Amino acid sequence: GNSVTQMEGPVTLSEEAFLTINCTYTATGYPSLFWYVQYPGEGLQLLLKATKADDKGSNKGFEATYRKETTSFHLEKGSVQVSDSAVYFCALRKTSNFGNEKLTFGTGTRLTIIP
Amino acid sequence: EAGVAQSPRYKIIEKRQSVAFWCNPISGHATLYWYQQILGQGPKLLIQFQNNGVVDDSQLPKDRFSAERLKGVDSTLKIQPAKLEDSAVYLCASSWTGSLAAAYNEQFFGPGTRLTVL
Repeated sequence: GNSVTQMEGPVTLSEEAFLTINCTYTATGYPSLFWYVQYPGEGLQLLLKATKADDKGSNKGFEATYRKETTSFHLEKGSVQVSDSAVYFCALRKTSNFGNEKLTFGTGTRLTIIP
Repeated sequence: EAGVAQSPRYKIIEKRQSVAFWCNPISGHATLYWYQQILGQGPKLLIQFQNNGVVDDSQLPKDRFSAERLKGVDSTLKIQPAKLEDSAVYLCASSWTGSLAAAYNEQFFGPGTRLTVL
């Protein structure tokens, strides 16, 4: 079945450091890929997404590229801020005619940025 | 627009008691999802509704969990009786569903209900 393997945390970085959180997936066909973020005390929010191979999703300085050849969707940011401290989830969704397939999540990576 | 609403935000019960959670999706969203998020894990789908019909409940422990969406709008998830391992955050999500731009249909999540079973 479908699965997502995510870099284990927690990850602690200094402000303005470069961030990479690894994510690889196993799926049949061509899933859509997502990064969700969960700030303390809040619900999951979509951070970025990519729906086909070689697509790059980007938002708030974060980027991730859908790499079919390596089945990966690594999250990167060039210069992190304290406000980026949160838990990050990689997820995939099977392709369907209506886009209402369930999300399969990784285990999450807790990121802490220290000033 | 208003987001996905959930209540209560927190609930503490003793094992073998019953509990119910409520979710009101974004207006016009036909698809509603309930996910269970155990501490340190990613959310796992429990049940998915399309309007008032069940699409997927393969991972719902049906001996103790039940869910309904009678009028195709808001939904209730119930646990009876609760076990210690049910301690988790229960997330409700909704999405607009349609063939147009299907690849872009996004799931919007509520704030969750944190359940502690003692």
